[in-house]
Amino acid sequence: DGGITQSPKYLFRKEGQNVTLSCEQNLNHDAMYWYRQDPGQGLRLIYYSQIVNDFQKGDIAEGYSVSREKKESFPLTVTSAQKNPTAFYLCASSMAGRSNQPQHFGDGTRLSIL
Amino acid sequence: GDSVTQMEGPVTLSEEACLTINCTYTATGYPSLFWYVQYPGEGLQLLLKATKADDKGSNKGFEATYRKETTSFHLEKGSVQVSDSAVYFCALTQTWLTGGGNKLTFGTGTQLKVEL
Repeated sequence: DGGITQSPKYLFRKEGQNVTLSCEQNLNHDAMYWYRQDPGQGLRLIYYSQIVNDFQKGDIAEGYSVSREKKESFPLTVTSAQKNPTAFYLCASSMAGRSNQPQHFGDGTRLSIL
Repeated sequence: GDSVTQMEGPVTLSEEACLTINCTYTATGYPSLFWYVQYPGEGLQLLLKATKADDKGSNKGFEATYRKETTSFHLEKGSVQVSDSAVYFCALTQTWLTGGGNKLTFGTGTQLKVEL
């Protein structure tokens, strides 16, 4: 079945440490997105990528970095500069170029601070 | 900018009760509207969508009608089940991001609890 796979499901970060969240999709979608979800809030866009080797900052990109070396992969690194990283992180993908196409989501990674 | 406002939860209902979750939006132009559902510990799943005024999206007994005159997209179900307990998000997409792609603007979510 086609879908989006995020790993790990749970992740713990120590002070001063960078951690990387994995996102892989086999839907053949061009566009991929990273969102952050905090309790009682909607999702906020961190980064997005429309094509390989290109990505753009979303609304809350500070303290995060991404890469897009392959169409099916869009890893997110939470750097030590992100002072409040505890959240639920969701990866999504969609067909590009059509605003009425829905985004498809993975099952998320929950990041906590040790 | 675009925004979505949902009724606050939690909404607690007995099984077989009727459900309405209100959603209103602010956007220029003609957004597409979505309802997503999130079960505990999981990602979001698309529940239904509507892409133009007066469209009705429906799935699994849920319905929502795109009302441009009232800028609303209320989610309804005639008879809820315990298995419908989840968080429901209303969202719109319209704004083109730099380099293409669609930006989803989400409401804050409404938690639904259905009891026997």
